[in-house]
Amino acid sequence: GAVVSQHPSWVICKSGTSVKIECRSLDFQATTMFWYRQFPKQSLMLMATSNEGSKATYEQGVEKDKFLINHASLTLSTLTVTSAHPEDSSFYICSARDQGNSPLHFGNGTRLTVT
Amino acid sequence: KQEVTQIPAALSVPEGENLVLNCSFTDSAIYNLQWFRQDPGKGLTSLLLIQSSQREQTSGRLNASLDKSSGRSTLYIAASQPGDSATYLCAVRKSLSNFNKFYFGSGTKLNVKP
Repeated sequence: GAVVSQHPSWVICKSGTSVKIECRSLDFQATTMFWYRQFPKQSLMLMATSNEGSKATYEQGVEKDKFLINHASLTLSTLTVTSAHPEDSSFYICSARDQGNSPLHFGNGTRLTVT
Repeated sequence: KQEVTQIPAALSVPEGENLVLNCSFTDSAIYNLQWFRQDPGKGLTSLLLIQSSQREQTSGRLNASLDKSSGRSTLYIAASQPGDSATYLCAVRKSLSNFNKFYFGSGTKLNVKP
């Protein structure tokens, strides 16, 4: 079945530094990938939708200059948290689908802790 | 705006019991609905996908139904096992557009006691 790989699975960084999270579709081409954020005991909050080769579409309230999304190929999207602060600590999950009508497949998530 | 609600928020049952998880959505104009499972600290695993034209989907001990007109879906788990313990999320998709987002419920945390 379709596999989405997300790396790293966890990362600890100091306040003010930037962190890059990768999301790869291993056995299919993902024209569209989605980035979510999940707070403890809460559901997923969509941050942005990225289409290969074009700019990401950000949800209301999500700072595009802070959360940089690049979708340079059909199998790779990256989320960079710039100048991270402790309030950015969260669980970030990416998802992708291979065709318009197919199920959504998720990565295993990245636990970001900013100290 | 689509709102997705899941009831109950948490459920604890003894092993072997059949159970039903509920998902309701406010806008019945959906393209499909998907049920996911999330283990602690992990991503989501797709369980079942129901297209808007379908009434139900089955996979092993899982059966998901969809009543679009009433804005409801149920996930039925037969003969529950401790390994079924996880948070179950439902998500609805409004249209086929690639830019259209999925709306997630807040999940039902299931604990199956041995």
